[in-house]
Formats: sequence, structure tokens, C-alpha cells
Amino acid sequence: NAGVTQTPKFQVLKTGQSMTLQCAQDMNHEYMSWYRQDPGMGLRLIHYSVGAGITDQGEVPNGYNVSRSTTEDFPLRLLSAAPSQTSVYFCASSYGTSDTDTQYFGPGTRLTVL
Amino acid sequence: AQSVTQLDSHVSVSEGTPVLLRCNYSSSYSPSLFWYVQHPNKGLQLLLKYTSAATLVKGINGFEAEFKKSETSFHLTKPSAHMSDAAEYFCVVSGFSGGYQKVTFGTGTKLQVIP
Repeated sequence: NAGVTQTPKFQVLKTGQSMTLQCAQDMNHEYMSWYRQDPGMGLRLIHYSVGAGITDQGEVPNGYNVSRSTTEDFPLRLLSAAPSQTSVYFCASSYGTSDTDTQYFGPGTRLTVL
Repeated sequence: AQSVTQLDSHVSVSEGTPVLLRCNYSSSYSPSLFWYVQHPNKGLQLLLKYTSAATLVKGINGFEAEFKKSETSFHLTKPSAHMSDAAEYFCVVSGFSGGYQKVTFGTGTKLQVIP
């Protein structure tokens, strides 16, 4: 089991560029989510998915798009990068959508927007 | 609505002394509570979780936490700090809202361990 994998580990973008952060899990988890981590703010939920074909917005969705065509993959797209999107991004997955389900995190992607 | 407050942004202890990281939560229902640890430049690892079973929860690496409903607290403790415990710790509350899991993170507590 590789668990939750994310690529790339590091990325530098110029303002206005677009890119996709990749996330995959091999645990057959239904629930997947994207967070951003900024100093002093903990992790904030961007988007989440409760299964293939179903996505919804989290706390800070503006500037980001997601889709979930398969159970395994949950990419995060930045359509037009802004300096305010400089952050560390974590993908997470859990078996179900119960409040007792443990979330498993990927290693993170450190994104810098110039 | 739910929220979580980590009362200290930084905690410094000497190696071999006890660790106390404080967390208070607010929730409209009986929540599940988690502690995660993040070592520098690493991802998040689950330390322990409370899901309405025993109120004293034991986790990995000698950590434990006690759920106190009357105080709405879920403080993390360890009897004796080790240098490898230096990391950032996140308290997390999880509930069920709109049919789906809603997870809220605290802002984190950085633990420094002094030799």
C-alpha cells in the first residue's frame, strides 16, 4: 500500500499560470479532500469528495477546481494562480464519511506563486 | 457548528519532563476528536482519536488524551518528553453535518524539547 500520494512535492508558478496538483490513494477510500496549510491557521478545507462523481466546496474554495472521475484520483486545479495561493497543500482520504473515520494524509505539495 | 481552540501556539519543555498540549472544542453534538502530529517538512500522522468509547485514549509514542465533556476539553499529555517529540501538534474535531463528515483543525501547537 502506497497510501496517499501527491505530486509534485514542490512547485513554483508565476501569477496567472495554471496547474494541477495530483492526488491518488490505493486504499479504496470513498472520502477524499484537499486542505491548504498556512502559518498560524491550521489546515483549511478547500474541496472534498464523498465518492466518484461527487464533489463539494469546503471553507476556502475560491480559485480552485476539483473533479473525481475515479475512486483513486482527486486532482486539484488552479486555473489562474495568485500569490495568495502560496501555501502547502495536503490531500487526505478516509474510508467513509462518518465522523469517526480517520483521515490519512499525503506528504504535501509546497507551492510558491510569484 | 463546531470549532476547536488550541490554547498555546508554542510550548517548550525540557527532555524528560511532562508534556501538556491543551485543546478545547465546541460542537452541537457528540464529536469525534483527533490529535495529529506533523514533524518538520512532513505530512500529518494520527496520534490518537476519541470516538465516544473510553474517555482516556492512548496513542502512539506514549501520548494519551482525556476527553472531558464537562470542560469541553481534549488535552494531549505525555509523561516524559523525548527529543523526537519536537513537532507541531493539531487538535481536530470531526462531526456530521449536511450528511457528510465535517472536519475542523485547530491552529496548531509547536512543541520544543530542550536537551
